[in-house]
Amino acid sequence: ETGVTQTPRHLVMGMTNKKSLKCEQHLGHNAMYWYKQSAKKPLELMFVYNFKEQTENNSVPSRFSPECPNSSHLFLHLHTLQPEDSALYLCASSQDPPGHYGYTFGSGTRLTVV
Amino acid sequence: AQSVAQPEDQVNVAEGNPLTVKCTYSVSGNPYLFWYVQYPNRGLQFLLKYITGDNLVKGSYGFEAEFNKSQTSFHLKKPSALVSDSALYFCAVRDAYGGATNKLIFGTGTLLAVQP
Repeated sequence: ETGVTQTPRHLVMGMTNKKSLKCEQHLGHNAMYWYKQSAKKPLELMFVYNFKEQTENNSVPSRFSPECPNSSHLFLHLHTLQPEDSALYLCASSQDPPGHYGYTFGSGTRLTVV
Repeated sequence: AQSVAQPEDQVNVAEGNPLTVKCTYSVSGNPYLFWYVQYPNRGLQFLLKYITGDNLVKGSYGFEAEFNKSQTSFHLKKPSALVSDSALYFCAVRDAYGGATNKLIFGTGTLLAVQP
């Protein structure tokens, strides 16, 4: 275990469903990140939170809605997704700035939209 | 602006042979450099880092990387590859002085395939 826990590990959802991904860290980090990893594509940074405040949104469609209630928890709320949203969603955390230790990643949630 | 390049999508090597996975970077100041490894359906795992000091840094699983400032490179190496080293490898960089660009910038990844 890396110290960053993502649930669920796998999720299959229909295009009309609403679901949420959860990320939790107890490493004392104050920055958290959502990444999307699609097959044969580079890592895509979606959102960045520093001290619970969103500091970056990389033109992510509104069907993805992040929530960061505190520095230890990060959610990604999903609704009316498209099949092309199927991917591995990775959460990471770090000190702010990342400093000598880089990012710590969770194991990801494999999302399939049917 | 910060950037990192991994010029090879895939590297193939026979088990027991040495391996090299290439990475070049661009930052305005001094770099912090990282290598991560990703196994199928898993997150990225930290492998090693260069912050300062010796240009040759050693990391997990027998991997090492050499920082070359003149060539702005940070290639990942291992003297003898194992089949279990087969995975996706990511290079990442950030400017040591951070500021507005204090995120890690990741390369596109290199798939290492080690044949038995």
